[in-house]
Amino acid sequence: QSVLTQPPSVSAAPGQKVTISCSGSSSNIGNNYVSWYQQLPGTAPKLLIFENNKRPSEIPDRFSGSKSGTSATLGITGLQTGDEADYYCGTWDSSLSAGVFGGGTKLTVL
Amino acid sequence: EVQLVQSGAEVKKPGESLKISCKGSGYIFTNNWIAWVRQMPGKGLEWMGIIYPSDSDTRYSPSFQGQVTISADKSISTAYLQWSSLKASDTAMYYCARLFGSGYVGFYWWGQGTLVTVSS
Repeated sequence: QSVLTQPPSVSAAPGQKVTISCSGSSSNIGNNYVSWYQQLPGTAPKLLIFENNKRPSEIPDRFSGSKSGTSATLGITGLQTGDEADYYCGTWDSSLSAGVFGGGTKLTVL
Repeated sequence: EVQLVQSGAEVKKPGESLKISCKGSGYIFTNNWIAWVRQMPGKGLEWMGIIYPSDSDTRYSPSFQGQVTISADKSISTAYLQWSSLKASDTAMYYCARLFGSGYVGFYWWGQGTLVTVSS
């Protein structure tokens, strides 16, 4: 049981938009930065979003992040088949004094 | 170029000890936190713990406290994850990762992963 809750799966057609939610509490998302990761099969995770809504320079602006209260959202527009992957949110939990990840969401591009 | 290079795959028996490594290069190793992340077969990412090599300040997830030991040797820019007595349930891919910036803002750099298989 993960501290951060994500939907197990989402799907959408190529070219469409999808959002992935990440729900937590005041001890984690509510008072700390959220990051998002993409993990393609057989590879290490890749940072997509840091500090809630910032993108590393090489990440296309099709990927966006937002945070409101104790929840965060990853948005992906202009879906491509190459976006099929597992997506994870992560943050620090001040009560646990430890980092935490969401359970992961599998994105299928139909 | 920042790189984290992990040690190779391991096959061990239950009860054996193991120490895997993560060597950092291309940056000041002592000034950046490095975390270890577990991924069991077909499962999600699990945060295990994090170390600041400069003073070896270490934080563990409650789930992993007492189960593993995280350490670092700053003289050779290497972080370690070790077990004193492996169990079959330790079979997983283990990643090291470095924070992007000075605060807990996200892990930009990741090692390639070390696959640990524990089987009798």
